[in-house]
Amino acid sequence: NAGVTQTPKFRILKIGQSMTLQCTQDMNHNYMYWYRQDPGMGLKLIYYSVGAGITDKGEVPNGYNVSRSTTEDFPLRLELAAPSQTSVYFCASSYPGQTTYEQYFGPGTRLTVT
Amino acid sequence: LAKTTQPISMDSYEGQEVNITCSHNNIATNDYITWYQQFPSQGPRFIIQGYKTKVTNEVASLFIPADRKSSTLSLPRVSLSDTAVYYCLVGAANQAGTALIFGKGTTLSVSS
Repeated sequence: NAGVTQTPKFRILKIGQSMTLQCTQDMNHNYMYWYRQDPGMGLKLIYYSVGAGITDKGEVPNGYNVSRSTTEDFPLRLELAAPSQTSVYFCASSYPGQTTYEQYFGPGTRLTVT
Repeated sequence: LAKTTQPISMDSYEGQEVNITCSHNNIATNDYITWYQQFPSQGPRFIIQGYKTKVTNEVASLFIPADRKSSTLSLPRVSLSDTAVYYCLVGAANQAGTALIFGKGTTLSVSS
């Protein structure tokens, strides 16, 4: 299993540009998440999904959009990029068991908006 | 969602046992306690999870007192490679989305 993969690894955007961060998992997990991590800070939840066709907002959803057309893929769309969106973005997935809640994280995408 | 409090940083030397305590006074009955580890430039990695008493795996031990208002992650005989940020999370095991929030964590620095 490749686990959770993210592309690209690095990206520099100009203010106002748009882009899509890709996330794919091959573990057949129902739940998928997008987090952002600012320097020296913890992670903040942007959006999450409990299954294909179902998405919901997390703590910091403004400026982002998501879709979940398949179990495997959970892309994050940035519209009109702003410097405040400079961050490291992590995608994660998990299987909703009763006694475990282990999230598997991708390697991250480092985004700079200038 | 139970709020957690843990030290911002800890220092240790190779070969020592490290104990990181997390306070979660408002933990709910169906909440589990989960610890993650994060190395620089990597995503967090699950270490251990528990509900009560003691849990041990090949990486760490988790001690949870009877009142469950705190928990202690124990790392035996740390090495330089254990230098990382450690996060304590509290939430329902089968609840998605906003149930798990990562705070600033505890930065552990291991020296030789």
